[in-house]
Amino acid sequence: QVQLQESGPGLVKPSETLSLTCTVSGGSMNSYFWSWIRQPAGKGLEWIGRIYSSGNTNYNPSLESRVTMSVDTPKNEFSLKLSSVTAADTAIYYCARDINIGNYYMDVWGKGTTVTVSS
Amino acid sequence: DIQMTQSPSSLSASVGDRVTITCRASQSISSYLNWYQQKPGKAPKLLIYAASSLQSGVPSRFSGGGSGTDFTLTISGLQPEDFATYYCQQSYSMPLTFGGGTKVEIK
Repeated sequence: QVQLQESGPGLVKPSETLSLTCTVSGGSMNSYFWSWIRQPAGKGLEWIGRIYSSGNTNYNPSLESRVTMSVDTPKNEFSLKLSSVTAADTAIYYCARDINIGNYYMDVWGKGTTVTVSS
Repeated sequence: DIQMTQSPSSLSASVGDRVTITCRASQSISSYLNWYQQKPGKAPKLLIYAASSLQSGVPSRFSGGGSGTDFTLTISGLQPEDFATYYCQQSYSMPLTFGGGTKVEIK
């Protein structure tokens, strides 16, 4: 049973870089996409981007200039960096496995980690 | 970007009711449509993928339909554990986008 766990600082100062890691357990990262999604308190879901196990990425154009994703398959983890954060980046951040069997869908999710941007 | 519009944004229903939620895409997405359930304080959970395929372990009272631009999620016989927020999501093109959500509340 694949499980995902997000980790990283819960508080980030404005203009700094948010850094999160998602650790994958119970399975291999190979041949899957791995996504980041966020959700401001009381609001809907926003897809940030995804990275393939080989390192290829797709980013949401609305965040692309500030987002960097990386993957370390031997360590079974992938990471998100979001630069120049503002209060608008305060949200719960989820990582998810993005499976492709004729259609892409996110079948395994982490529990989420809350990130607050504040001085 | 493909815009996903859900309706209604919220609804009240009773245990045992049949509930239908609608999701409309701003352009045709074939059957590249997924549905998720989210309970308060929890991560979203995949219910339906490819518009009508039931994810393993999801009760058969959940069903999905539609193609092109119009899709439905139906819960046949609402159970107490089904009170939650439901999101549709398109995977036809980048960026992946979600609907605004439909909150199903107890009447």
